[in-house]
Amino acid sequence: GQSLEQPSEVTAVEGAIVQINCTYQTSGFYGLSWYQQHDGGAPTFLSYNALDGLEETGRFSSFLSRSDSYGYLLLQELQMKDSASYFCAVKASGNTGKLIFGQGTTLQVKP
Amino acid sequence: SQTIHQWPATLVQPVGSPLSLECTVEGTSNPNLYWYRQAAGRGLQLLFYSVGIGQISSEVPQNLSASRPQDRQFILSSKKLLLSDSGFYLCAWARSNQPQHFGDGTRLSIL
Repeated sequence: GQSLEQPSEVTAVEGAIVQINCTYQTSGFYGLSWYQQHDGGAPTFLSYNALDGLEETGRFSSFLSRSDSYGYLLLQELQMKDSASYFCAVKASGNTGKLIFGQGTTLQVKP
Repeated sequence: SQTIHQWPATLVQPVGSPLSLECTVEGTSNPNLYWYRQAAGRGLQLLFYSVGIGQISSEVPQNLSASRPQDRQFILSSKKLLLSDSGFYLCAWARSNQPQHFGDGTRLSIL
């Protein structure tokens, strides 16, 4: 089967750093994406890793280790507006771009 | 720039009624198009994807169908809705090797 595992909930305080892990088991792998979704809203793209290593975009970074089937999203200098659900998603096909999503991690940022 | 439109935003339908949700993309040509369903508090489940006009692939057996009558138009349909069809339906588009971008979604309630 195909599965992605990520923690269901994470809580942190404003200004802190939080890491959301994702492990995956899929029949095809072309990259790992991260999406943010606020309550009632649509998912918005955060980052994508096709190769091993760290990708940095402002306060957010994403890491991938293909040999370990593992990645994480790192959020620094947390702000209240970062409270949302975060989904990892495996790109399972090169030509169709199909994504397989994890169940999401709800991040609650406290003052 | 590219934009994606989904409508309606909210829909309440009785069991057994038909359904038609529409998604259109502007500012790009020959995009890959996707329909997802999201249950409350859960991840996104890919329902259908399309790599071109008239080309539809179904990911899960269900009560729904999809069509792509024009390059940038993707329609999700049902002849008779079931209670289990309730959920948040999201359309997404992507160019090859680029991230998927989501519409604002349709929240469907079946009574």
